[in-house]
Amino acid sequence: KNEVEQSPQNLTAQEGEFITINCSYSVGISALHWLQQHPGGGIVSLFMLSSGKKKHGRLIATINIQEKHSSLHITASHPRDSAVYICAVRSSYNTDKLIFGTGTRLQVFP
Amino acid sequence: DTEVTQTPKHLVMGMTNKKSLKCEQHMGHRAMYWYKQKAKKPPELMFVYSYEKLSINESVPSRFSPECPNSSLLNLHLHALQPEDSALYLCAAAYQGGFEAFFGQGTRLTVV
Repeated sequence: KNEVEQSPQNLTAQEGEFITINCSYSVGISALHWLQQHPGGGIVSLFMLSSGKKKHGRLIATINIQEKHSSLHITASHPRDSAVYICAVRSSYNTDKLIFGTGTRLQVFP
Repeated sequence: DTEVTQTPKHLVMGMTNKKSLKCEQHMGHRAMYWYKQKAKKPPELMFVYSYEKLSINESVPSRFSPECPNSSLLNLHLHALQPEDSALYLCAAAYQGGFEAFFGQGTRLTVV
């Protein structure tokens, strides 16, 4: 079993829809990251969370430390949001290592 | 614009070649990372440098040799690679271990 699980693995949406991607983890963490990877490879850091909620534009990320769960929400989705979204945790016993989830492939159609 | 610059963007090399991947950052970050990513898989950590010293080697084969000549530069020297080493190689930098990491655009490597 992976230490970081994401769901769903694949997600399609119509432009304008509200999107939720979930991440559950089984290890103690010092922080959780949400990352975005477009075709072609480059990874962009969207959020780093250790508690509560963060908002940036149409993106909202929440984390529940007790339940070991985080969600990434995209409001008013747009085709340019199409990408792979990756949840990664930094373990509390080795902060140098990011443990990655398998990613959620999102396609938003006009 | 990315704050972590990787060159080259694409590389094709034979199994007997020697080549190097380069990663540069001028943010003053003291932790630098090499990751390998196969298609449709998450990145896998290869090496971590902290304050220009190798702090983590994830049992990477010796045909991959990292080097950190100074705090802004991270190289990955490649020699006698196998076709299964074809992948996207990503560099990342962070202020220190445990801080937010910034990734480069990656080098897409094909070994023929």
